[in-house]
Amino acid sequence: AQRVTQPEKLLSVFKGAPVELKCNYSYSGSPELFWYVQYSRQRLQLLLRHISRESIKGFTADLNNGETSFHLKKPFAQEEDSAMYYCALLTGANSKLTFGKGITLSVRP
Amino acid sequence: DAGVIQSPRHEVTEMGQEVTLRCKPISGHDYLFWYRQTMMRGLELLIYFNNNVPIDDSGMPEDRFSAKMPNASFSTLKIQPSEPRDSAVYFCASSWSFEQFFGPGTRLTVL
Repeated sequence: AQRVTQPEKLLSVFKGAPVELKCNYSYSGSPELFWYVQYSRQRLQLLLRHISRESIKGFTADLNNGETSFHLKKPFAQEEDSAMYYCALLTGANSKLTFGKGITLSVRP
Repeated sequence: DAGVIQSPRHEVTEMGQEVTLRCKPISGHDYLFWYRQTMMRGLELLIYFNNNVPIDDSGMPEDRFSAKMPNASFSTLKIQPSEPRDSAVYFCASSWSFEQFFGPGTRLTVL
């Protein structure tokens, strides 16, 4: 069965510090992975998609099939990055997403 | 486009009462999803529809929960009777491709 694991619930860093939000997945097919973000008082929204291989707001995420991981990274955190982050796995062709439990990132000044 | 619209934004009710949550998806989207968000369990998929037809309701916790999509622009999630453990934020999302667009959520409190 498909599963997404985000092992930490909270990560607190100082502004300018590097950030790595961990995500591991379990899926028998070809995985398609995403990171969604929910800023305070805003809607949950797509941050990035592994296929696009883009850097969004300074964040990148590389799919590692060997380690079945899709960690989200940013070299220098900003206060506006404080939010809830969800890793998600698309299963099949039916648009269904399986989400991890999420992690709260807090960036202190 | 106002995006996905949910109502009410907040609902406080007493145990045993019926609760109905409403969702209007983005026009043109053919998938609609209902999620529940709690601190303990994160974001859980309850049910989703494709072209108004329920595809997978395996996430619906029990028979007290039901969802309908009578047309392409409206869906409801009903809890009857409600219990305190149903307290959570309920999200509706819609999509036409890989990206899901979420509504603002309904914060439900069952006393």
